[in-house]
This record gives sequence, C-alpha cells and structure tokens, in this order.
Amino acid sequence: DAKTTQPNSMESNEEEPVHLPCNHSTISGTDYIHWYRQLPSQGPEYVIHGLTSNVNNRMASLAIAEDRKSSTLILHRATLRDAAVYYCILRVNNAGNMLTFGGGTRLMVKP
Amino acid sequence: ETGVTQTPRHLVMGMTNKKSLKCEQHLGHNAMYWYKQSAKKPLELMFVYNFKEQTENNSVPSRFSPECPNSSHLFLHLHTLQPEDSALYLCASSQVPGESYEQYFGPGTRLTVT
Repeated sequence: DAKTTQPNSMESNEEEPVHLPCNHSTISGTDYIHWYRQLPSQGPEYVIHGLTSNVNNRMASLAIAEDRKSSTLILHRATLRDAAVYYCILRVNNAGNMLTFGGGTRLMVKP
Repeated sequence: ETGVTQTPRHLVMGMTNKKSLKCEQHLGHNAMYWYKQSAKKPLELMFVYNFKEQTENNSVPSRFSPECPNSSHLFLHLHTLQPEDSALYLCASSQVPGESYEQYFGPGTRLTVT
C-alpha cells in the first residue's frame, strides 16, 4: 500500500503562510494526492487534490515535487479557524474510491 | 437539510443492547462509507457501499452490521458491543466514478459502550 509520512504537529502564527509537508516515496504513477482536514469536533473535509501539476483552489495550494515523492499543502494566510488535523492521503488508482487515512499533522495557529 | 447528516450525535449503550446509527446524504451521491475514529488512532475505513452494494468490509467484527436500503441512506446496526468499540463513527458519501472521488463527511456519532 502507498503510504504517506507527515510531521505529527506544526505551529503557525495567524495571518502567516503555512507549508505542510508530506512524503510519499512509494507513490505509483497513477496515484492521486489528496488532502483533507478535520476541524475539532467535526468530520473531515476535502481540501484539495492533484496528480502531477500544482493546484490552487479557494482553500489552499498544492505543490507537488517533480518526482512526485513529496508534496506540500500551502495555506496562504493562516487563520485561527485553520487549526485542524491535516491528512495527506494517496488515492491508489486501482483501489477506486477507497481512502486510507494516516495520523495527519495537527496544525496549531497562534494569534 | 444539506450535506451528510448523522443521528444520533451521541449514544451511550450497554454491552447487551441493540442500537442503530443512521446516515443520510442529500448530495445525490452513489457511494457511502462508514469509518471508525478511536482516540489517538487514525480513521479506519469499515464499510464501502457503491450503488447500494457492499464492495468493502475491512475485517469488521460481525457485531457491526451495515445496511444500505438506497443510495441516500446508510445504517450501522450494533449489537453486543465491547467497551473498546467506543469511538466516533463517521459516515461519508461521494460520487463514483469521478476524477476527485471527493468524500463528504457527516459530523459523526459519538458512541460510548458501558
């Protein structure tokens, strides 16, 4: 199974950019990189996903290394509301719609 | 109601009780999922239903019995649970096939087994 490695926790100051790293050295050519986050007392929510090219949406940006062995989720201006556990997940192409969550990174945002 | 709803939000049950968790999605999706989130452990996928058919059972004990009567509703029937089954049970839905397979999660049911 393709696996991901993330730091257990990170701290950020409010209104500063945050770069959340993820290593996935065993990624296969057709595996998608997904990011979800889980706010306190809520279910996870989708953030962004990509395959090879960098991606931007209203929530965040996803920077994918050229060799695809790592990626970085970028929050451009962290707010207190962004404090959550962020999960980097590989969606294995031949596993259809199954997602395997790891431990994630707990992001703390300081005012 | 919008999104994915789950009832009840909190449930306390004895080891000999029978109870059911309910999930409903209002997104027109065709796939639904049950996950278990125990304290200090990653989310564990329990069951997957695609087009009302169970396509994945992740070695879940038989005291957990899922039911998917239609694409919008998913139940998890519980009987003779153990204290270690206490956890947050999350339901999700998605549209398959799809480029993103984005899953939408409900708020979860916090289950305590006494």
